[in-house]
Amino acid sequence: KAGVTQTPRYLIKTRGQQVTLSCSPISGHRSVSWYQQTPGQGLQFLFEYFSETQRNKGNFPGRFSGRQFSNSRSEMNVSTLELGDSALYLCASSLAGGSSEKLFFGSGTQLSVL
Amino acid sequence: AQTVTQSQPEMSVQEAETVTLSCTYDTSESDYYLFWYKQPPSRQMILVIRQEAYKQQNATENRFSVNFQKAAKSFSLKISDSQLGDAAMYFCAYRSAHNAGNMLTFGGGTRLMVKP
Repeated sequence: KAGVTQTPRYLIKTRGQQVTLSCSPISGHRSVSWYQQTPGQGLQFLFEYFSETQRNKGNFPGRFSGRQFSNSRSEMNVSTLELGDSALYLCASSLAGGSSEKLFFGSGTQLSVL
Repeated sequence: AQTVTQSQPEMSVQEAETVTLSCTYDTSESDYYLFWYKQPPSRQMILVIRQEAYKQQNATENRFSVNFQKAAKSFSLKISDSQLGDAAMYFCAYRSAHNAGNMLTFGGGTRLMVKP
């Protein structure tokens, strides 16, 4: 079974641009969550999608948005990029997002904002 | 809101020796899950071990075990017979048992170095 796949692996953008990151969960998994990892703030929860609906949201500005498609693939979008958005963005999936379920992570997308 | 604290930014251990990584957390909930994740240079977070708060027995996975002290809100990870492949960042994480979803709260991480 293929694991969680995130594309692209690396991305370089300039301030003010927007970016879209993609995450394909493990086959059969319907819950997809996103995390931002930076040296200063550590790992922070962005949001979670289940059955195409946002179920939980972290404390991030509205520039950060996401969506989930009917095949459970998810995208996150960051508009009007700022230097502080430079981070590793990790995606994780599980069957239904139940608290007892195991969470599987992808290898992340490293975003650099210049 | 829950918080997770890892007080050791870096730890070092000799190959084949035992090392313990510390984690404390703060919560007002009684039902929750605690995790240790490993993040090697490949960046992929790998689940090492999981503990359900309602279980008094400490979780064990091969060379990895935890010391879960619910009253003290402490959750340390012990790695026995350390191997070179254990070198990585280790993150302690908390997940509520009440809210649906995969919202984890992570600690700041501990970088583990293994000396040959």
